[in-house]
Amino acid sequence: EDKVVQSPLSLVVHEGDTVTLNCSYEVTNFRSLLWYKQEKKAPTFLFMLTSSGIEKKSGRLSSILDKKELFSILNITATQTGDSAIYLCAVEAGSNTGKLIFGQGTTLQVKP
Amino acid sequence: DTGVSQDPRHKITKRGQNVTFRCDPISEHNRLYWYRQTLGQGPEFLTYFQNEAQLEKSRLLSDRFSAERPKGSFSTLEIQRTEQGDSAMYLCASSRDRGNIQYFGAGTRLSVL
Repeated sequence: EDKVVQSPLSLVVHEGDTVTLNCSYEVTNFRSLLWYKQEKKAPTFLFMLTSSGIEKKSGRLSSILDKKELFSILNITATQTGDSAIYLCAVEAGSNTGKLIFGQGTTLQVKP
Repeated sequence: DTGVSQDPRHKITKRGQNVTFRCDPISEHNRLYWYRQTLGQGPEFLTYFQNEAQLEKSRLLSDRFSAERPKGSFSTLEIQRTEQGDSAMYLCASSRDRGNIQYFGAGTRLSVL
């Protein structure tokens, strides 16, 4: 059965800290891995990763994929209180539907 | 591009009642997905449409659940004879094609009393 596992499940840091969120997966016919940020509204898209070793960056956020070891990390540097959210990792794999298989999410709280 | 919109945002119902949710995808997006998210969990796939055709349904989708996408535009998800276990956030997402980014709506939070 396809599976996506995120760690840690929750994290509390102070503003200015750097955090690393982890996502590992076991799926059939991997196609892509996506990161979303979810506050009290729609999950918003952060990154889509398809190739190993190519870092994607957007401001203070960056992500990389390792298809050999079957994991991805999401880094956030110089965290701000506005980074407080649930971070979801999802994998598209296998069937032709394009459906996403999500991990449980990592709840990040950034304290002032 | 107005994004994916869902209506209502919140629904409170009594056990045994029927409820219907609506999703309006981003225009020109062929694919539409429904997911369900319970507290502390990531979203779980329910069903998928390509244009007006419903091409896959999860085993999570019991006979009480039905979804439609007439004319390949908006979609509705109906739950008949609601149960307390149906309480969850129901998320809709759309994408242009397979392998493209799925954009999510804000969801409909269902509470079954």
